[in-house]
Amino acid sequence: QQKVQQSPESLSVPEGGMASFNCTSSDRNFQYFWWYRQHSGEGPKALMSIFSDGDKKEGRFTAHLNKASLHVSLHIRDSQPSDSALYFCAASEHNNNNAPRFGAGTKLTVKP
Amino acid sequence: NAGVIQTPRHKVTGKGQEATLWCEPISGHSAVFWYRQTIVQGLEFLTYFRNQAPIDDSGMPKERFSAQMPNQSHSTLKIQSTQPQDSAVYLCASSSQDWGADTQYFGPGTRLLVL
Repeated sequence: QQKVQQSPESLSVPEGGMASFNCTSSDRNFQYFWWYRQHSGEGPKALMSIFSDGDKKEGRFTAHLNKASLHVSLHIRDSQPSDSALYFCAASEHNNNNAPRFGAGTKLTVKP
Repeated sequence: NAGVIQTPRHKVTGKGQEATLWCEPISGHSAVFWYRQTIVQGLEFLTYFRNQAPIDDSGMPKERFSAQMPNQSHSTLKIQSTQPQDSAVYLCASSSQDWGADTQYFGPGTRLLVL
């Protein structure tokens, strides 16, 4: 079983709408969380990290972390067609002997 | 900064042949990671080097797969006797810190097709 689970598998929103992604972990050792985005034909690129409980906002992107429930979410407001991509959640432990683990990803389609 | 470089970008092999994939991490980065991406499994962790030493290879298939980092400027992933189920995009990433909370920078990947 994957240690990082994402939902939904896919998501379609109209241009200008809000896109929301969810990520949960089954491993309480995970302390640090990231959201990555991957456009077709490219490698994933980091969008934002979140290490503390609460919200973190960067432009149109807001991440929320609840360590007690091991749940992290990502919200994109005013979605644009260029936001269409695969979105991955990644989590890692504090120690540096284990690499970050990724969820299966959510495919976002933003329709003009 | 050229980013993480992976070569080749595409590779086609026949069943039973060997495939070697190359990765050049970002200069100065001490950690190198290999992942495998398929539609079914998503991003699977394979192996991780720090300062060229193997740290975690818990994701590597026990047979046919091996990884090395002979110097700080490149790492290789070798697959012996390739099988159709090895077809995937193999991604290399590097990061600069020696602890768990650092962003990874990914290369564009090598798409391997085993016929």
